[in-house]
Amino acid sequence: QKEVEQNSGPLSVPEGAIASLNCTYSDRVSQSFFWYRQYSGKSPELIMSIYSNGDKEDGRFTAQLNKASQYVSLLIRDSQPSDSATYLCAVCNNAGNMLTFGGGTRLMVKP
Amino acid sequence: AAGVIQSPRHLIKEKRETATLKCYPIPRHDTVYWYQQGPGQDPQFLISFYEKMQSDKGSIPDRFSAQQFSDYHSELNMSSLELGDSALYFCASSLFILPYYEQYFGPGTRLTVT
Repeated sequence: QKEVEQNSGPLSVPEGAIASLNCTYSDRVSQSFFWYRQYSGKSPELIMSIYSNGDKEDGRFTAQLNKASQYVSLLIRDSQPSDSATYLCAVCNNAGNMLTFGGGTRLMVKP
Repeated sequence: AAGVIQSPRHLIKEKRETATLKCYPIPRHDTVYWYQQGPGQDPQFLISFYEKMQSDKGSIPDRFSAQQFSDYHSELNMSSLELGDSALYFCASSLFILPYYEQYFGPGTRLTVT
């Protein structure tokens, strides 16, 4: 079992819809969780971080964390074609030394 | 805002040659991380430094070495290059504040080994 898992997609949503991206992790003691957006051939761009159970909202993005279920999700409201990218879920080890990524979910937003 | 700077952006080397990649972290960031991303793959952690000391090591080949200097910039040295080393190499930096280690990635160096 991979330490961090995501559905590779592609996830296709129409413009203006809500895109829901999911991620599970195996290390119960993990404390720091991140979502990165990566366009093809570019570097990962940090879009959300979350450390506590519950929801965290930033503009059109909402991250959700459920430590009991070892589950992290990202909701993108009012999806735009420019949101089409690969979304990487990342979990940081407790020493703060490294990120483990979940393989990424490719999102396609169709006009 | 200032971002992570990496140089060179593109590098072409032949098998068995040596390459040096440089990374300049965001000002005031004290921790540097190196990642390798092959085609269609996740970034894979290689090595990290906190306050110029190696803090963790991932799947870094013995042919690779790295260090962080007094001005916090870091260099990744890669020797006896192999075709399989062709990849994007990212440097990231963060402030080491438990547990909020938000890592910001540089633009990457695309290494091609022929």
